[in-house]
Amino acid sequence: QMTQSPSSLSASVGDRVTITCRASQNILTYLNWYQQKPGKAPKLLIDSVSNLQSGVPSRFSGSGSGTDFTLSISDLQPEDFATYYCQQSYTTSPITFGQGTRLEIK
Amino acid sequence: EVRLLESGGTLVQPGGSLRLSCAASGFTFGNYAMAWVRQAPGEGLEWVSSISATDGTTSYADSVKGRFTISRDNNKNKLFLQMNSLRVEDTAVYYCATYSASWHVPEFDYWGQGTLAIVSS
Repeated sequence: QMTQSPSSLSASVGDRVTITCRASQNILTYLNWYQQKPGKAPKLLIDSVSNLQSGVPSRFSGSGSGTDFTLSISDLQPEDFATYYCQQSYTTSPITFGQGTRLEIK
Repeated sequence: EVRLLESGGTLVQPGGSLRLSCAASGFTFGNYAMAWVRQAPGEGLEWVSSISATDGTTSYADSVKGRFTISRDNNKNKLFLQMNSLRVEDTAVYYCATYSASWHVPEFDYWGQGTLAIVSS
């Protein structure tokens, strides 16, 4: 089970925000982050805790290991306002996502 | 360019059946495991089922086990999800997604646009 906090977050352009994801068991570094905008499919942002996918801006970063993980976004841009999901890839079944964190413009 | 195009979503009554399809292009489909992930209206992402690239290994979420069947046709570059005994709570947008690398490390790097299945009387 993956638990994200907060479930929603308000921030302003230029702010730095941090989203937390906690696993119910040790998942080592098998943790991925997705971004989803309204009406769109999710997009893989980060795999293996901190590996940014091609084209993802460097203002996104991830950290953690074991059970506690964070996604940080510095210098928030208008296009960053979206919902973010963590997902564990430690087990092949079931594959579990966090419940999501909605990042809104203040 | 990788493209995944889902189809087959529609309105169906509880207890009914539906078959979703996902047409893949732009990559060697037969080399990659695939998955279905769904999202109920206003809710988060829920993994539904996965199938390996070539040996037919499948896995299912407990919520759909025994009712849904995932399959693929590597000759036609298509992924399927047969959904039987549908329930109201199966209402969702269903996405097909590719595994980025290994079956053993499930992360999904390409997604379709989704197809909406509505289960309602």
